[in-house]
Amino acid sequence: TQLLEQSPQFLSIQEGENLTVYCNSSSVFSSLQWYRQEPGEGPVLLVTVVTGGEVKKLKRLTFQFGDARKDSSLHITAAQPGDTGLYLCAGANTDKLIFGTGTRLQVFP
Amino acid sequence: DVKVTQSSRYLVKRTGEKVFLECVQDMDHENMFWYRQDPGLGLRLIYFSYDVKMKEKGDIPEGYSVSREKKERFSLILESASTNQTSMYLCASRRQGNYGYTFGSGTRLTVV
Repeated sequence: TQLLEQSPQFLSIQEGENLTVYCNSSSVFSSLQWYRQEPGEGPVLLVTVVTGGEVKKLKRLTFQFGDARKDSSLHITAAQPGDTGLYLCAGANTDKLIFGTGTRLQVFP
Repeated sequence: DVKVTQSSRYLVKRTGEKVFLECVQDMDHENMFWYRQDPGLGLRLIYFSYDVKMKEKGDIPEGYSVSREKKERFSLILESASTNQTSMYLCASRRQGNYGYTFGSGTRLTVV
């Protein structure tokens, strides 16, 4: 069974701080996606990275796909309370997504 | 606004009942998925469907079945609900290919 481990599991920070979330696997994925889920809602797609080494930026969020396409990171600059939520990485293999274990982020004003 | 709609946000059912969870998408997507989400276990795939009338077992299909008679609708059926099926159920759809999923808002099912 393919596994995607995310770290840290929980992160509680003050507004304005920077943070990085990691997503690691021993398996190679054809692409990797990041989602954010707010309480009581379904996950919402943030980004898809496809090429090894690829870096994508979405405002204050920077996503990187590892060179070997086994891992990824999400860096948030100057976190805001609106960034609070559960962040999920998901690796694509054939027609299914394998979801990571999730990182719960709380940003305090 | 394109969306995936799950028929109920909250459901309470009794042990042994047959439960139907409905999911409808308006994006003409070929692929549809049912997941359950539990604390500490993440999202686990129950069943998925590549197209109408097609279905494939996911990682945890036991105790569940599905129906996809129309492209836009994917139903999850709990044949005889049990307390260990208390969970958040999430439906998702995706265009065929390497695209992101669009999720519904989820159904929080409690079996008592």
